[in-house]
Amino acid sequence: EVQLVESGGGLAQPGGSLRLSCVASGFTFSNYALHWVRQAPGKGLEYIAAISSLGTSTYYANSVKGRFTISRDNSENTVYLQMGSLRVDDMAVYYCARSPSALWFKETNFEYWGQGTLVTVSS
Amino acid sequence: DIQMAQSPSSLSASLGDRVAFTCRTSQTIITYVNWYQQRPGEAPKLLIYRASSLQSGVSSRFSGSGSGTEFTLTISDLRPEDSATYYCQQSYSTPHTFGQGTKLEI
Repeated sequence: EVQLVESGGGLAQPGGSLRLSCVASGFTFSNYALHWVRQAPGKGLEYIAAISSLGTSTYYANSVKGRFTISRDNSENTVYLQMGSLRVDDMAVYYCARSPSALWFKETNFEYWGQGTLVTVSS
Repeated sequence: DIQMAQSPSSLSASLGDRVAFTCRTSQTIITYVNWYQQRPGEAPKLLIYRASSLQSGVSSRFSGSGSGTEFTLTISDLRPEDSATYYCQQSYSTPHTFGQGTKLEI
């Protein structure tokens, strides 16, 4: 059974940092692209970052570019989202999701999702 | 960026009904649209990919159609568990934008 389990959310101050982790199981991790999608309280879904199966290609939405970094450790079956210069409008539930391809830009539908981790940004 | 406009924003229906939601895009995306269901407090779930392909394990009561700039998700024989918000998402070009969602109440 495919599982994605996020962690690392919590309270951060504006301008602060957090690192989210997503541990995967139930599939050959190094064969698939991984993505981060966030959802602000009571709002819709926003696609923010992606990484190819071998970590050689990444994508960032304009809203997080230059502040967030996506990476992965295929030996640990884990994808990370390093979040810096946090703003109040970064407050959201962050989901990690898997698409069916090794390339993040191919077949970009999200067939498996984690349960999400909540990031709160407040002073 | 490609804009995704879903309609209606909310809908109330009865058990056993058949409902349809529309997603319109600001430019052609061929058939690169996916549909998700999100129940309250849960992660989204992929229902339909590439406009009309049913995701494995999803009930055949769900179907998708359309191409170009207009797409439809249809749910037949509504059940209580179909109460959720439904999102379309384009995978034609980055950013892979989502629609604002349609909330379905049974």
